[in-house]
Amino acid sequence: AAGVIQSPRHLIKEKRETATLKCYPIPRHDTVYWYQQGPGQDPQFLISFYEKMQSDKGSIPDRFSAQQFSDYHSELNMSSLELGDSALYFCASSGRTSGTYEQYFGPGTRLTVT
Amino acid sequence: KNQVEQSPQSLIILEGKNCTLQCNYTVSPFSNLRWYKQDTGRGPVSLTIMTFSENTKSNGRYTATLDADTKQSSLHITASQLSDSASYICVVSGSYNTDKLIFGTGTRLQVFP
Repeated sequence: AAGVIQSPRHLIKEKRETATLKCYPIPRHDTVYWYQQGPGQDPQFLISFYEKMQSDKGSIPDRFSAQQFSDYHSELNMSSLELGDSALYFCASSGRTSGTYEQYFGPGTRLTVT
Repeated sequence: KNQVEQSPQSLIILEGKNCTLQCNYTVSPFSNLRWYKQDTGRGPVSLTIMTFSENTKSNGRYTATLDADTKQSSLHITASQLSDSASYICVVSGSYNTDKLIFGTGTRLQVFP
């Protein structure tokens, strides 16, 4: 069965650079969530989109922005990167329209800021 | 404050043994509770999901229980295998018809031969 796809899987950036993470949800899923997981920590919810509109906002820094496109894939844009942004970034998807609230997580993108 | 607490923080067991992980939550209103398995550096994988009306749910060697009155859940792993070594995260959904998840801090399980 198709799963959530994230790219890239690993990314190394320097301080003050920008990064773009991509998420491709499970086919027919209309909702995408972004999470940030620091070393040894539980995932922190950043932001979610439903039908290309922002549906909920968590602890996403102002330096980050995200959007969901017409094909339901989503991109998380991160600017002015800081050392503390080094983390695993997970994307999850669900099929809210079909009443499926179960979130399926992608494999994550490991971002290292040096 | 909505919180999900798990115990123990870490656990070491021998292959073939059983173990039980605990989860207490203070989330209200309560919609459902999920247990996820997360291998190091990978995305969480759902093991079970239970609504307030469900007391127990099994998925292979994993059995989850839920007591909505005491706001407690447990995950029992039977006949552990080396591949069970992972973090187990209890996650509570705090509202009806929404998908906001509140994560516990997880239990790190290590299974040794």
